[in-house]
Amino acid sequence: AQKVTQAQTEISVVEKEDVTLDCVYETRDTTYYLFWYKQPPSGELVFLIRRNSFDEQNEISGRYSWNFQKSTSSFNFTITASQVVDSAVYFCALSEGEAAGNKLTFGGGTRVLVKP
Amino acid sequence: DTGVSQDPRHKITKRGQNVTFRCDPISEHNRLYWYRQTLGQGPEFLTYFQNEAQLEKSRLLSDRFSAERPKGSFSTLEIQRTEQGDSAMYLCASSQVEPGNTIYFGEGSWLTVV
Repeated sequence: AQKVTQAQTEISVVEKEDVTLDCVYETRDTTYYLFWYKQPPSGELVFLIRRNSFDEQNEISGRYSWNFQKSTSSFNFTITASQVVDSAVYFCALSEGEAAGNKLTFGGGTRVLVKP
Repeated sequence: DTGVSQDPRHKITKRGQNVTFRCDPISEHNRLYWYRQTLGQGPEFLTYFQNEAQLEKSRLLSDRFSAERPKGSFSTLEIQRTEQGDSAMYLCASSQVEPGNTIYFGEGSWLTVV
């Protein structure tokens, strides 16, 4: 069975600090996809990034960066120079593959609170 | 291009009443998913459609829940004889049919059963 663990339930930082969110996953599939979503107070899940299991290159997008390490089954997310608008709940998710309709298994989420 | 839209955004109902939620996916997306999210938890899969066919239902989807996608476009999720434990946010999402394709979510429909 697929499983995603986000051990940090809540992180509080002061604006401009960096914050790293941990994500550890379990799967028996050799091909899989990992995602990060942001959920602001409004409730909508906003897609941030998708990574497939064959691409272990780290990625940077503005203040966001992702570190995918297959050896440790981790897909961590860092926000550099955090801003108040980054306050939200962030979810890591694992896709179960085409045979299972690509449905997502989510972690429990990490609430990030950025204080001014 | 509009995103996934859901209606109503909020619903308060008395225990025992029936409620129905509607979801309009992104127009070119063949797959449509329903998830449920309770406070402090991640979303949990309920069911999904490919075009009009319902291909999988989670064991979370009790007999009181039914979902349809009659013409492969919009979908409805009906909960009969609501219980307080049904209080949650119901999220709809859609995607194209390709391996690992990104799933886009709507803003959710909040249900409170009193």
